[in-house]
Amino acid sequence: ETGVTQTPRHLVMGMTNKKSLKCEQHLGHNAMYWYKQSAKKPLELMFVYSLEERVENNSVPSRFSPECPNSSHLFLHLHTLQPEDSALYLCASSQELAGGYTGELFFGEGSRLTVL
Amino acid sequence: AQSVAQPEDQVNVAEGNPLTVKCTYSVSGNPYLFWYVQYPNRGLQFLLKYITGDNLVKGSYGFEAEFNKSQTSFHLKKPSALVSDSALYFCAVRDRSNYQLIWGAGTKLIIKP
Repeated sequence: ETGVTQTPRHLVMGMTNKKSLKCEQHLGHNAMYWYKQSAKKPLELMFVYSLEERVENNSVPSRFSPECPNSSHLFLHLHTLQPEDSALYLCASSQELAGGYTGELFFGEGSRLTVL
Repeated sequence: AQSVAQPEDQVNVAEGNPLTVKCTYSVSGNPYLFWYVQYPNRGLQFLLKYITGDNLVKGSYGFEAEFNKSQTSFHLKKPSALVSDSALYFCAVRDRSNYQLIWGAGTKLIIKP
């Protein structure tokens, strides 16, 4: 199995739908991330779960809600999204060490979301 | 405010020529520095990182990067470009005091045969 697996790869949803993106990592890492990638913009960190602590970007709208049931699985629940939320959503994992050092990120292939 | 700049949206290089993709940053202290590559319709892949030590870092696929503290730069280089190097390249910098990776907007590298 590949290191970080995301499903679905493509998702089209209406603004009133509820859907979820799923991410699974097989690397034994202790940190997982959701990023939003829009064309010609820096990657936007949405949420981090690291060393059992959740860190979030305060600018992320509440219509995005993360869930991390264990260190290997991460979900992004989507509810009443807007067309401007259409983007590539990337999941990543890393091994964080006490004292602040971070290993490099390992990314999934991404979930391409289109909101109609 | 902390930031990472990749001043070129696109870099065009002929196959076999050396390539440079530029990155400068404005982050306090001694940050960690990274380069990632993204091929079409794929996620990002780690290329190389600078943590401490030798300013010249070697990474995957023959790439290397030079850390210049006085110029706060971390330019990506390769002595001889391949057509398969064509992709989107991202520079990222992490302040050692928090979880935030600060990303550049990416540079599209096109290698022409």
